[in-house]
Amino acid sequence: EVQLVESGGGLVQPGGSLRLSCAASGFTFSSYWMSWVRQAPGKGLEWVANIKQDGSEKYYVDSVKGRFTISRDNAKNSLYLQMNSLRAEDTAVYYCARVARLYCSGGSCYPAWYFDLWGRGTLVTVSS
Amino acid sequence: EIVMTQSPATLSVSPGERATLSCRASQSVSSNLAWYQQKPGQAPRLLIYGASTRATGIPARFSGSGSGTEFTLTISSLQSEDFAVYYCQQYNNWPGTFGGGTKVEIK
Repeated sequence: EVQLVESGGGLVQPGGSLRLSCAASGFTFSSYWMSWVRQAPGKGLEWVANIKQDGSEKYYVDSVKGRFTISRDNAKNSLYLQMNSLRAEDTAVYYCARVARLYCSGGSCYPAWYFDLWGRGTLVTVSS
Repeated sequence: EIVMTQSPATLSVSPGERATLSCRASQSVSSNLAWYQQKPGQAPRLLIYGASTRATGIPARFSGSGSGTEFTLTISSLQSEDFAVYYCQQYNNWPGTFGGGTKVEIK
């Protein structure tokens, strides 16, 4: 079955750290850009970070730059988000999402920047 | 950053009726617009990309239209499983941004 399963969420104090994981199955993980997208309670969706297939390119929303690090292990079909210096405003459900492929050519696949597969999410609560 | 505005915030519709959801971009996004459906406690699901192309497995009652700054998602005959929150997302400019969502509820 094609799916993404997040884990690692929980309650953490302001200034603390947390590492989220996403296990991918049912597709060739290493051929897709991957992302983290979050949703604060009662709010809309916000893209957080992207990572290229080989991990050589990473992009972040301004509000998490310098605090969050996205990474991946293609051998384990896993995506990660290391979150440091957490703030109350980081409280959200964090979704792992697969970036759709625009096309593949010459052994490389290029992203279309919308998300064609999502996990169910993991809740991160930052509170004292 | 491109701001996406969805209207209405809540849409009350009877089963079998048509639902029309709107999404407006603060500047042109060409046809680089996607629609997602989200039910409580579930992952969002891709419905439409390229403004009008249905994703794999999406029923024909879902259709998308528009380009530039004005977009519409139409559900031709609402089924019970269609009551959910719908989000639009532009992916023409970095970073991709989402609208605030439209909740489709049972009338």
